[in-house]
Amino acid sequence: AQSVTQLGSHVSVSEGALVLLRCNYSSSVPPYLFWYVQYPNQGLQLLLKYTSAATLVKGINGFEAEFKKSETSFHLTKPSAHMSDAAEYFCAVTHTGGFKTIFGAGTRLFVKA
Amino acid sequence: GAVVSQHPSWVICKSGTSVKIECRSLDFQATTMFWYRQFPKQSLMLMATSNEGSKATYEQGVEKDKFLINHASLTLSTLTVTSAHPEDSSFYICSATSGTAYEQYFGPGTRLTVT
Repeated sequence: AQSVTQLGSHVSVSEGALVLLRCNYSSSVPPYLFWYVQYPNQGLQLLLKYTSAATLVKGINGFEAEFKKSETSFHLTKPSAHMSDAAEYFCAVTHTGGFKTIFGAGTRLFVKA
Repeated sequence: GAVVSQHPSWVICKSGTSVKIECRSLDFQATTMFWYRQFPKQSLMLMATSNEGSKATYEQGVEKDKFLINHASLTLSTLTVTSAHPEDSSFYICSATSGTAYEQYFGPGTRLTVT
């Protein structure tokens, strides 16, 4: 069975500081992994995805994530936080044998001025 | 590309009435569409998966007679909340995928409030 664990329901950083949002997954087969961002009262926007190519994935808005099979992790990072990064972030895993996607509980990112 | 729209973006209805929410893929053919429900400050909960021309597959605990899903074409899926009650108030989000692509494209969501 697949599962996704996001460590930390809330993360607060200062503007300009490093952003690190943690995601660990569980999957019996090679997974596809995603990070999405959601702004209030909006749908989800794809930040980046891992689909078994390069383990370091670069996404939009300066975000990137590294797939570490040995640690079953897919943490999201951004070198320098911007006020506009304040939002809810979801890590998700999709079984390569099907389309069903499992979402993590989400991490709310706060950016302080 | 890969745009998904939802209509309406918000709706208020009286208890006991039915509400239909549309999900459209605007620039691609969606072989599979998903319907999610999201409560405030919570993650997305998958309600059902629908494939064009076939019956939807509902997740455990989701009442299929209450949440009617129709995927009549490759660009349109509808979710009808029948005999709505205040506890059905939520944010409903659809997504779509095409062919062998595992990436889902999400709609902007529909806020349903039942009074």
